[in-house]
Amino acid sequence: GQQLNQSPQSMFIQEGEDVSMNCTSSSIFNTWLWYKQEPGEGPVLLIALYKAGELTSNGRLTAQFGITRKDSFLNISASIPSDVGIYFCAGQRGGDDKIIFGKGTRLHILP
Amino acid sequence: NAGVMQNPRHLVRRRGQEARLRCSPMKGHSHVYWYRQLPEEGLKFMVYLQKENIIDESGMPKERFSAEFPKEGPSILRIQQVVRGDSAAYFCASSDLDSNQPQHFGDGTRLSIL
Repeated sequence: GQQLNQSPQSMFIQEGEDVSMNCTSSSIFNTWLWYKQEPGEGPVLLIALYKAGELTSNGRLTAQFGITRKDSFLNISASIPSDVGIYFCAGQRGGDDKIIFGKGTRLHILP
Repeated sequence: NAGVMQNPRHLVRRRGQEARLRCSPMKGHSHVYWYRQLPEEGLKFMVYLQKENIIDESGMPKERFSAEFPKEGPSILRIQQVVRGDSAAYFCASSDLDSNQPQHFGDGTRLSIL
């Protein structure tokens, strides 16, 4: 089945630093999604990407849909303590299709 | 995660008992998806339902697991004769394809098997 490789698995950064994480797939997706999950909660959608090459921002977050449709990255600028959490990339083939999730990037911010 | 309601939030069962997990989708959504998350893992798709129909159950174990989304009421994920390996967080998501919006998730049910 389709698999997503997400990296890095975890990150330890200082407050104020920029963060970059990415996701690659063995096959093509038509939609890329980035979710954030905090302890005890469900994933919350951060950014949805629908076109190859698309670059989309949501506040300090920027994500891109790779031109090959097999990869995506998420950048967070000027990190703050509330950015702590697990970030998941996810892909879909079609609008009503199941979502395939990566294993997540665990973001820790050092005091 | 306002809108997709899952209950109970926590469920403890002994081996061999049945577990029933409920999901009420966001208002106006007619598509429901169930996912399972093990510790330190991403979510894994189990089943996709529309009202009264199972559309895709390719991620659902063939035995002991079943799901329904009746015409009235919430979607139910049912696990019979639970085993220790069923311990996980189970998430429900809903969508409304008419508006082409992504799936929105509930806060999950954490199932613990004693």
